[in-house]
Amino acid sequence: DAGVIQSPRHEVTEMGQEVTLRCKPISGHDYLFWYRQTMMRGLELLIYFNNNVPIDDSGMPEDRFSAKMPNASFSTLKIQPSEPRDSAVYFCASSPTTTGTGELFFGEGSRLTVL
Amino acid sequence: GQQVMQIPQYQHVQEGEDFTTYCNSSTTLSNIQWYKQRPGGHPVFLIQLVKSGEVKKQKRLTFQFGEAKKNSSLHITATQTTDVGTYFCAGPDSWGKLQFGAGTQVVVTP
Repeated sequence: DAGVIQSPRHEVTEMGQEVTLRCKPISGHDYLFWYRQTMMRGLELLIYFNNNVPIDDSGMPEDRFSAKMPNASFSTLKIQPSEPRDSAVYFCASSPTTTGTGELFFGEGSRLTVL
Repeated sequence: GQQVMQIPQYQHVQEGEDFTTYCNSSTTLSNIQWYKQRPGGHPVFLIQLVKSGEVKKQKRLTFQFGEAKKNSSLHITATQTTDVGTYFCAGPDSWGKLQFGAGTQVVVTP
């Protein structure tokens, strides 16, 4: 079975540009999570969905960040406009169980560099 | 809010040696999870501990959950070069969201 699929794997963009990261969770997983990883702040939970509904977006840093999950097999994380401090690895993860109770399956991540 | 602290942040190990990394929470945890992230890779689930005092083994890795369910440890015996990576512990906060520690980065010298 395919794992969590993220695209693009690498993105280099200039400050002010819009960035869209994509994620396909594992089929049958009701929970989808977006994490950001940086050296300074480690792994931070940005937002998570349950059955395509955003449950907690308190980790989203600013209004420049938005996430959607239009259906059970697709989610996007958008940054508009992007800034150099947004440079990080963004991971999508999915889980069949409620948050905090079971294994998270991570995608390979999208490495974002904002110049 | 709940914080998960890991020590050490960095561990340099000679191949064949043992080492232990520790995880401490400011609050009691319902469970604790451990993940491993290889350099340039993504976090991969290793194990989940649920019961007070629980000990689980995976080959050369031994995981323990403290009696008070506020701390955990990962002990690796006879370290191999394949053990290189960063080991994270993670526990749910009061809202159930999984909070990750900063990780212990392990470097193995042949």
